[in-house]
Amino acid sequence: EDKVVQSPLSLVVHEGDTVTLNCSYEVTNFRSLLWYKQEKKAPTFLFMLTSSGIEKKSGRLSSILDKKELFSILNITATQTGDSAIYLCSLPGGETSGSRLTFGEGTQLTVNP
Amino acid sequence: NAGVTQTPKFRVLKTGQSMTLLCAQDMNHEYMYWYRQDPGMGLRLIHYSVGEGTTAKGEVPDGYNVSRLKKQNFLLGLESAAPSQTSVYFCASSYALGRPAGTQYFGPGTRLTVL
Repeated sequence: EDKVVQSPLSLVVHEGDTVTLNCSYEVTNFRSLLWYKQEKKAPTFLFMLTSSGIEKKSGRLSSILDKKELFSILNITATQTGDSAIYLCSLPGGETSGSRLTFGEGTQLTVNP
Repeated sequence: NAGVTQTPKFRVLKTGQSMTLLCAQDMNHEYMYWYRQDPGMGLRLIHYSVGEGTTAKGEVPDGYNVSRLKKQNFLLGLESAAPSQTSVYFCASSYALGRPAGTQYFGPGTRLTVL
């Protein structure tokens, strides 16, 4: 059974801090790892990672995957209050499972002014 | 292009009542999903569909039924609501594997309370 574990579950920082969110996984057939950001409503897609060691970057957010050690990290530099959200890590299953996602519990990030 | 839409946004039911949640997508996605999200539990898959006329069970299917009569719509039904079904329900859709694999687009959610 596929498994996704995120840490920490909760994090409180001040504006300007840099944070690192962790995601470790166990999956039978790795295809990709996805990061989502969830504010008050639906999750929105951030990154899809398929190859080890290649950093994906979007503004102050970046993410990297280590397929040997089975983990990914999401970095946010110079945090802002608008970064406050739940960050979800997920992995899609194989073709026979309809690409269903297995989600971690999420990391609740709170950025205080 | 509205993406993924859900109806209704909020609903309060009494125990034993039935209701249907509607999900619609206009991106021509093959796959559609229903999740529920509860505090401390993350997102859990209820049912999913890989195409029109097909459905499959997810992690927590008990107490729910689904139908995919049209490619763009995915319905989630509660035949006899229970307080344990109080949750936020999200619908999502995605292309079939390969373009790009796994990325799902979520609807805004339906907050359901069962008294």
